[in-house]
Amino acid sequence: DTAVSQTPKYLVTQMGNDKSIKCEQNLGHDTMYWYKQDSKKFLKIMFSYNNKELIINETVPNRFSPKSPDKAHLNLHINSLELGDSAVYFCASSQRAGTGGYYGYTFGSGTRLTVV
Amino acid sequence: QKEVEQNSGPLSVPEGAIASLNCTYSDRGSQSFFWYRQYSGKSPELIMSIYSNGDKEDGRFTAQLNKASQYVSLLIRDSQPSDSATYLCAVIDAGNNRKLIWGLGTSLAVNP
Repeated sequence: DTAVSQTPKYLVTQMGNDKSIKCEQNLGHDTMYWYKQDSKKFLKIMFSYNNKELIINETVPNRFSPKSPDKAHLNLHINSLELGDSAVYFCASSQRAGTGGYYGYTFGSGTRLTVV
Repeated sequence: QKEVEQNSGPLSVPEGAIASLNCTYSDRGSQSFFWYRQYSGKSPELIMSIYSNGDKEDGRFTAQLNKASQYVSLLIRDSQPSDSATYLCAVIDAGNNRKLIWGLGTSLAVNP
């Protein structure tokens, strides 16, 4: 039973198109994240939601719009795709610890987006 | 700018040896530290977390934390070829404990 599942696994699309990536977690975690990993393998946070509330919104083009219908789901919609958006997008979830910090993240398997 | 620094490698060790991976961080207030393993083409996987100074052991893995020196390391004993991967160090941002600051990772190759 997959803990954090993302769909689709691969996405090849033309410049200018709009696409969505979906993520679901069954761990009961209260926080979910979207990360982008580029060709240099650097993990860059994009967004985070805690119980449907947006809590992290990094400097990301407003063509990217996250949506969290409930604490188990976090989707990412991308408008007007550009070549530079090609990357692997990871969804992750975590749970707040009693001390105020967070336990480690559990990542989904990733969505490899290629814009041509 | 808060940073986590790792030697990119590749770090090459023979099978059965101890692999030592190092990480330094700039955020003196950080309280939570994590090591992730990422195989090529796969997602990062949490292998160790450490919150207090000293050593924490889990099987063949030992994490070591020294907050005064702002240094965290990962030792892998009896290294196996299956340990060949990129190891990512991540540190909780003390100013926003919902956020991790990531290193670029160290590539480890264990040679049979």
